[in-house]
Amino acid sequence: AQSVTQPDIHITVSEGASLELRCNYSYGATPYLFWYVQSPGQGLQLLLKYFSGDTLVQGIKGFEAEFKRSQSSFNLRKPSVHWSDAAEYFCAVGAQSGYSTLTFGKGTMLLVSP
Amino acid sequence: KAGVTQTPRYLIKTRGQQVTLSCSPISGHRSVSWYQQTPGQGLQFLFEYFSETQRNKGNFPGRFSGRQFSNSRSEMNVSTLELGDSALYLCASSLGDLTDTQYFGPGTRLTVL
Repeated sequence: AQSVTQPDIHITVSEGASLELRCNYSYGATPYLFWYVQSPGQGLQLLLKYFSGDTLVQGIKGFEAEFKRSQSSFNLRKPSVHWSDAAEYFCAVGAQSGYSTLTFGKGTMLLVSP
Repeated sequence: KAGVTQTPRYLIKTRGQQVTLSCSPISGHRSVSWYQQTPGQGLQFLFEYFSETQRNKGNFPGRFSGRQFSNSRSEMNVSTLELGDSALYLCASSLGDLTDTQYFGPGTRLTVL
């Protein structure tokens, strides 16, 4: 069965600083990988997704992620964090093409300090 | 176009009762998935419906059930509520393939007393 690990429960970043959120997955074949963001009181919003091809994926709100098969990782990055980026971020893996089932990590809460 | 809507947004029930939650997907979407979100377990997949058929099911007891109607609206039901069922229940809709973007609703916050 597939699984996702997000090692950092909380991360605090200064506004304007760069950000990297870590995600490691476990899956035997080529995974479908996703990053979602959840603001308080809201549902999840898709930031970006990777299925195949270029391992550097661009998403919305200035986020990008890099798929590294050798490290089973799909880390999320942003060069300059804004206060509005404070939220909880979830990495997810999908393993059954044709189904819409996602396995999520436990999430990383991003705090942005002034 | 309108997003995914979930009703009600908040519910308070007592142990032993049952509850029904509703999800209206984005127009044209045929897949609806349900997830349970708790602080301890995170986001866990409950089930997915596609064209009125349950296509996939997570590891939850039989007290959790769902259905999908011909207009793709979906309901999930939890019978004999337990304190541990307190959670945010999220539904997501998509066209149906994993490569299609899933759009999440705001969730229904269920509190079991």
